[in-house]
Amino acid sequence: AQKVTQAQTEISVVEKEDVTLDCVYETRDTTYYLFWYKQPPSGELVFLIRRNSFDEQNEISGRYSWNFQKSTSSFNFTITASQVVDSAVYFCALSDSGYNTDKLIFGTGTRLQVFP
Amino acid sequence: NAGVMQNPRHLVRRRGQEARLRCSPMKGHSHVYWYRQLPEEGLKFMVYLQKENIIDESGMPKERFSAEFPKEGPSILRIQQVVRGDSAAYFCASSPPGLDNYNSPLHFGNGTRLTVT
Repeated sequence: AQKVTQAQTEISVVEKEDVTLDCVYETRDTTYYLFWYKQPPSGELVFLIRRNSFDEQNEISGRYSWNFQKSTSSFNFTITASQVVDSAVYFCALSDSGYNTDKLIFGTGTRLQVFP
Repeated sequence: NAGVMQNPRHLVRRRGQEARLRCSPMKGHSHVYWYRQLPEEGLKFMVYLQKENIIDESGMPKERFSAEFPKEGPSILRIQQVVRGDSAAYFCASSPPGLDNYNSPLHFGNGTRLTVT
């Protein structure tokens, strides 16, 4: 069965610290997509990244970076020099099997609190 | 280009009433997805629709819940005879048809927060 595990329920850091959010997934598919979404206190879902299973290159976008490792079925997310505005719940997600790659399986989320 | 629009943003219903949640997809998108987020949990897939068709409703509760996406107008998620356990945030997402889908990430609306009293 497909599954996404975000073992860290809550993380607290002080501003300017680096923080890594873990995501481990399970799937039998050879082709799949992995995602990260941010849910700030206002409640909306903000898309951060989508990664194809064939592309294991790490991605960097400003202070955000993602480390995709198929060997360990992990897709970890690092925020460098965290800021108070990064405080949110972060969800990792995996596309479901079959043709419908937009049917997503979400982890339970990691709540990140960044203190000034 | 407006994003996925959901309304209302907040909805309060008493037990036994009906709740109707609306979702207007992004322009050019013909695929709509509904997800539910129970308090302190991740999102769970409910249903996937294309215009006038339900493609996958494997995540829909068997009773009281229905969804439609008519040829004209928004997609509607309808919950009849609501109970307290239906209190949740309901998110809609849309994507374009066909091969365009592979280049377009799934974008979500801001959600409707349903409270059943």
